[in-house]
This record gives sequence, C-alpha cells and structure tokens, in this order.
Amino acid sequence: LAKTTQPISMDSYEGQEVNITCSHNNIATNDYITWYQQFPSQGPRFIIQGYKTKVTNEVASLFIPADRKSSTLSLPRVSLSDTAVYYCLAYFNNDMRFGAGTRLTVKP
Amino acid sequence: EAQVTQNPRYLITVTGKKLTVTCSQNMNHEYMSWYRQDPGLGLRQIYYSMNVEVTDKGDVPEGYKVSRKEKRNFPLILESPSPNQTSLYFCASSFAGALNTEAFFGQGTRLTVV
Repeated sequence: LAKTTQPISMDSYEGQEVNITCSHNNIATNDYITWYQQFPSQGPRFIIQGYKTKVTNEVASLFIPADRKSSTLSLPRVSLSDTAVYYCLAYFNNDMRFGAGTRLTVKP
Repeated sequence: EAQVTQNPRYLITVTGKKLTVTCSQNMNHEYMSWYRQDPGLGLRQIYYSMNVEVTDKGDVPEGYKVSRKEKRNFPLILESPSPNQTSLYFCASSFAGALNTEAFFGQGTRLTVV
C-alpha cells in the first residue's frame, strides 16, 4: 500500500494559484493517484484522479511526472470557499487509506 | 440525485446501549465502507464490503459489526458502545473492480457515547 506524504498546512490568498505536492515513493504499478477535498464536518469529496502526465477537469489539474513518485494538485485562482483539507491517496481499486491531508487556508 | 445517505446525523447515547447507524446509496455501487474520523488521526477504515454478503475488516474493526444483505444498504452496528467510540463516522460507496474508483461519502454521523 503506497504511503503518501504531503504538507500539513498551506496558506494562500484569494485569486492565487495553489499547488499542493504529494510524495508517494513506493507507489505500485496499478495504483492511481487521487485527491479528495473535505470541508469541516462533511464527507470527503472526489476532486481528481490520474495515472500519469497531466489530468485537468473543471476544478483542478493534476501533474504526475514520469516516475510517478510524486504528484501535484493545482487549484487555479482559489477563493475563500476552497479552504478545506486536501487528501492525496495512491491506490488501486477501492483500497483507500487516508493520511492527515493538507489543510489549505485561503485568506482574503 | 446520486447520493449516500446516513442516519442519524447526530446521536448521543449511553455506554452499552446497542445502536445502528444506517447507510444507503442509490448508485448501484458494489463497494461500501465505513470510516471514523478523530482529531489528529484522520480517516480510518472500520469495515468494508465488496458486494452483498461479502464484508471484511478494515483497520479499526474492534467494537463494530456490519451487514450487507442488500446492495444499497450497509448498516454499522455498535453492540455495546463505549466512550472511545465517540467519533465522526462516514459511510462511502463506489464501483468495485473499476480503475476510476471515485468514492462518494455520506454527510457523516456524529456519535457521542457517555
């Protein structure tokens, strides 16, 4: 099971681009990299998932280098409502294990 | 609307009084699981189920039971709750055996055992 390491917290300001990097040195061949967002007292919500290179959807981009030992979640032009905890997971099928996540605080 | 529904949202009970937290999903997902979330410990998996009548222990199963008699429901049972089971509980569901296994979580159940 791939262990992930990400910063405990980050601060940003409204309108800035935020990049959260996650390391997963022992990622397995079949593992997919997935990011979830969690607001206080709510269940985590899926943001984005990728296997390699770059994935983009309406809310975020995910950059994965060729060796797949790390990944970067990019949130463009954050707003106050993006203040949340962001979890990076590397898993295959349904074997999800959540770490402590990164607490992002967006300031006005 | 695709959703995972947990009930109740809040529950205060006394030590030893059996309780059940229900979880229901309307997405025909095979895989369902329960997590508890505690400050400083993150989300920890209690039990999971790959399909009807198939359940298995997660990382912290002690003191909990589950059942999966129907595909849509996955209740969490605390036969004899204790104060150390005071926590925020989440149910999740997703398709099994798929590469893109986006999980959907319920709104949570905040349980207090006194």
